[in-house]
Amino acid sequence: RKEVEQDPGPFNVPEGATVAFNCTYSNSASQSFFWYRQDCRKEPKLLMSVYSSGNEDGRFTAQLNRASQYISLLIRDSKLSDSATYLCVVPRIYFGSGTKLNVKP
Amino acid sequence: GAVVSQHPSWVICKSGTSVKIECRSLDFQATTMFWYRQFPKQSLMLMATSNEGSKATYEQGVEKDKFLINHASLTLSTLTVTSAHPEDSSFYICSATLAGGRNEQFFGPGTRLTVL
Repeated sequence: RKEVEQDPGPFNVPEGATVAFNCTYSNSASQSFFWYRQDCRKEPKLLMSVYSSGNEDGRFTAQLNRASQYISLLIRDSKLSDSATYLCVVPRIYFGSGTKLNVKP
Repeated sequence: GAVVSQHPSWVICKSGTSVKIECRSLDFQATTMFWYRQFPKQSLMLMATSNEGSKATYEQGVEKDKFLINHASLTLSTLTVTSAHPEDSSFYICSATLAGGRNEQFFGPGTRLTVL
């Protein structure tokens, strides 16, 4: 299973529509989640951060469901300028190799 | 927001040459920088994670001798594509996270590499 999975779309919606994207992640220890927007031939731009259950910013709402390990992005009243690629990002957690401790009596 | 720059923004080179791409955090210190490659109509593919003062961590399938990464300071990481081939032509993007931040990545504008 991929660490992060998204429906590649495309989602074709009329202006004014409400559209939702889902993104599932595999690492249950993840603590922070992000939605980015990427326009054609440009770099991704941070759209929203999600650290707890959700976040709302105007027409955009991001929600986190830890039990099912997915985040969603809801866009209400879609505008033409919303046309872009939306990327969900779940930062990877790296583990060190470990340090063994032996406590002697 | 934090600003990340990349240089050059585009480069065309001949097969067999090496190309160096710079990634700079302009107004913050970045202990970690990431290098991505993006092919047309595909998502970003993480190539390596670059930590200041230590060796980069490469993703599976990415040749460390081909893609040399140097993170010499808290504001600069470089990616050198050695002996470039046409299949290396791609959009290379770096990102950086704020030291002590919450893992938000700030992306550079990308470098479009075309190898002839």
